Amino acid sequence: AQSVTQLDSQVPVFEEAPVELRCNYSSSVSVYLFWYVQYPNQGLQLLLKYLSGSTLVKGINGFEAEFNKSQTSFHLRKPSVHISDTAEYFCAVSAPGRDDKIIFGKGTRLHILP
Amino acid sequence: NAGVTQTPKFQVLKTGQSMTLQCAQDMNHEYMSWYRQDPGMGLRLIHYSVGAGITDQGEVPNGYNVSRSTTEDFPLRLLSAAPSQTSVYFCASSYLGQGNYGYTFGSGTRLTVV
Repeated sequence: AQSVTQLDSQVPVFEEAPVELRCNYSSSVSVYLFWYVQYPNQGLQLLLKYLSGSTLVKGINGFEAEFNKSQTSFHLRKPSVHISDTAEYFCAVSAPGRDDKIIFGKGTRLHILP
Repeated sequence: NAGVTQTPKFQVLKTGQSMTLQCAQDMNHEYMSWYRQDPGMGLRLIHYSVGAGITDQGEVPNGYNVSRSTTEDFPLRLLSAAPSQTSVYFCASSYLGQGNYGYTFGSGTRLTVV
């Protein structure tokens, strides 16, 4: 079975500063990895995904993530955050070809400080 | 607009009452699922379906029933509501075999059981 650990429940960061949200996964098989974003009082939107190929994945709104198989990590980064990035971010994992289930981490709440 | 529609958006139930949360999608997605979101717990999978007539349990199925009589609809039934079922419920869908490319989420149903 797959599992996901998001290492920080909350991350405060000043506006225009860089940010990294950490995610580690556990799986006995190869995986697909995702980051979703949830803005206040909304549903979840796909930010980016890693399926195969290049380990550096670029997503929407200037975010990117790097898949590191040896460290079983998939950390999300943005070089300069804005107030509009205030949201909760979820890392998620699924196993290719296995009933399409996606398992989510517990989320990291990003607070942008003025 | 195409997407996943959840109704109602808000609901208050008394302990012991029953109700059905509705989920409909118009994208001809085979795969549909229900998650509950609780503070600090992320999203936990309740039930999922890979097509009409086929359903299976997720991580937290107790107290919930589902059925999938059509491709479009995937209702979630609470047979006897309990305060522990107070949560935000999300429905998600995708094409089968492409769920690993990300889900489309509904906007959620906020349920309070008193």
